[in-house]
Amino acid sequence: DTAVSQTPKYLVTQMGNDKSIKCEQNLGHDTMYWYKQDSKKFLKIMFSYNNKELIINETVPNRFSPKSPDKAHLNLHINSLELGDSAVYFCASSSWGGGGTDTQYFGPGTRLTVL
Amino acid sequence: EDKVVQSPLSLVVHEGDTVTLNCSYEVTNFRSLLWYKQEKKAPTFLFMLTSSGIEKKSGRLSSILDKKELFSILNITATQTGDSAIYLCAVVRDYGQNFVFGPGTRLSVLP
Repeated sequence: DTAVSQTPKYLVTQMGNDKSIKCEQNLGHDTMYWYKQDSKKFLKIMFSYNNKELIINETVPNRFSPKSPDKAHLNLHINSLELGDSAVYFCASSSWGGGGTDTQYFGPGTRLTVL
Repeated sequence: EDKVVQSPLSLVVHEGDTVTLNCSYEVTNFRSLLWYKQEKKAPTFLFMLTSSGIEKKSGRLSSILDKKELFSILNITATQTGDSAIYLCAVVRDYGQNFVFGPGTRLSVLP
């Protein structure tokens, strides 16, 4: 069973287009994330949602808009795509609790290429 | 500003060697430190450390945290070519919802 899934795995599109990436987790976790990994493999958090509520919104252009219809889903919509948006986008989910049980699981990633 | 630094950024060794990867951090409201292995796709979870001085082990991999000096190390003994990957260190701060990742160490193990 896939714990964290993302669709699509690959996305090739033209500058100026609008696209969405979907993410679903079946782990029962309360918190979900979007990360961007650039060509240098640096992983940077973009957003974090806890129980459908936005918790973290790092310095990300407002062309990026996350949406969480329920706590098992966190989608990412990108408007007016730019060349610099080309990267691998990872969705992740986590649970944490007392006694040090922080764990984070990643989806397989979506490779976005903007032409 | 919160930051996580890893060293070395790149390392090439031969099978059978032992390697030590370093992660140092400066973050507010530290909660835990995590190590991940990333091969071709998504990072996979290795260890979570919350207490100083307690070693976590899994096979040939082990890790320890020093909360006084603000660093962690990941040791891999008797390396194999399958250990070739990027090893990421992440620090969890606040209430467990904010993960700050380091740049990673790219390990290449040659036959």
